[in-house]
Amino acid sequence: DIQMTQSPSSLSASVGDRVTITCRASQPIIRYLNWYQQKLGTAPKLLIYAASNLQSGVPSRFSGGGSGTDFTLTISSLQPEDFATYYCQQSSSSPWTFGQGTKVEIK
Amino acid sequence: QVQLQESGPGLVKPSQTLSLICSVSGDSMSRASSYWSWIRQPAGKGLEWIGRIYNTGSTNYNPSLKSRVTISVDTSKNQFSLKLRSVTAADTAVYYCARVRHFYDSGGDYQDDAFDIWGQGTIVTVSS
Repeated sequence: DIQMTQSPSSLSASVGDRVTITCRASQPIIRYLNWYQQKLGTAPKLLIYAASNLQSGVPSRFSGGGSGTDFTLTISSLQPEDFATYYCQQSSSSPWTFGQGTKVEIK
Repeated sequence: QVQLQESGPGLVKPSQTLSLICSVSGDSMSRASSYWSWIRQPAGKGLEWIGRIYNTGSTNYNPSLKSRVTISVDTSKNQFSLKLRSVTAADTAVYYCARVRHFYDSGGDYQDDAFDIWGQGTIVTVSS
């Protein structure tokens, strides 16, 4: 299985901050990397697909980058509604696997 | 607007079979541009992909669960289902169904598959 490792596991930030979350795959996955946002008690929501493509309806302050084994999710200016847990997920090979999550908390 | 809704018992006894149904509205499960999946999440933990099914009935399962899992589809009812046999307390989780969509760029080249629509999730507890 491809292991997905996110860092940090949690972070504290203020509204307006620029936030970057990293996801590393245990083997190359080209750009088959997706990012999801999960708020407490709700289902995950797709933010980014194919490493850098913004899902329809997702604010442009979210962006993704990377290829191969190293990927990033950046929030350019953190908004109150962005406090949540973020997961990366690889779709390169079965079984599809998720990172352990990064919890973004209010500072 | 595409919506998915999980249904099934919230409590299952150890060694028995967990059975869930996902009802799809606003989309035809017969379309080739998408397929369907189950994912679970134990309380306070991360996400685990269980398996997927195409409209043809073809399936792929997570090897960690493969010996106990069956996913099936009924396109006439626009539903797909999950059966997990011989459950233990470790199978206690929120179970989500999700649509998997093929994404293409503006030139029509394939980019990726991703879970683009999720059900709200249903909590299943394994306990006697």
